[in-house]
Amino acid sequence: SQQGEEDPQALSIQEGENATMNCSYKTSINNLQWYRQNSGRGLVHLILIRSNEREKHSGRLRVTLDTSKKSSSLLITASRAADTASYFCATEPNTGNQFYFGTGTSLTVIP
Amino acid sequence: DAGVTQSPTHLIKTRGQQVTLRCSPKSGHDTVSWYQQALGQGPQFIFQYYEEEERQRGNFPDRFSGHQFPNYSSELNVNALLLGDSALYLCASSLGQGIGEQFFGPGTRLTVL
Repeated sequence: SQQGEEDPQALSIQEGENATMNCSYKTSINNLQWYRQNSGRGLVHLILIRSNEREKHSGRLRVTLDTSKKSSSLLITASRAADTASYFCATEPNTGNQFYFGTGTSLTVIP
Repeated sequence: DAGVTQSPTHLIKTRGQQVTLRCSPKSGHDTVSWYQQALGQGPQFIFQYYEEEERQRGNFPDRFSGHQFPNYSSELNVNALLLGDSALYLCASSLGQGIGEQFFGPGTRLTVL
């Protein structure tokens, strides 16, 4: 399977703390995206980073990409209870128009 | 500006039956992708439609088929349902061929008994 893997599978932190989750993947990619999913409903796009980019910021989110290690990390700073959700990385291989999601990290932010 | 809509929200079927799920893309989008998400798993890519043709397909059997209409809306059909087809089916729309930022619908929860 070309599906990526997130680490950790589950993360529980206090409100105000930072949350870091990691994603590893297997093939060369065009881009990597992070999505959030609340309670098994539709996914919300958070950020897209292209293979020639190393870091990207969006509000309280910071994403890094290391193509040599085939890994990415998502940092959420100053977490809020509303950040409680599952977070998925998704990769577009450079071999075709498919899209592979990772296994997800379940984040719980305790008020 | 309407986002991605899917119908129905929930569906219960029995083994061997056939099901059709529907998706309307975000306004201005012309590409629709379908995903299957089993409980506790990440979404799995089923296929993508662009210009009314299936452009890419994931590792799913021929029981899974689809269609895209001239207005860019799409249907996912699953024949001969199996218990293992029970999942959340997600539709995502994007602009142009290829994968960029995708906008997801709320999904259809299919239960096969």
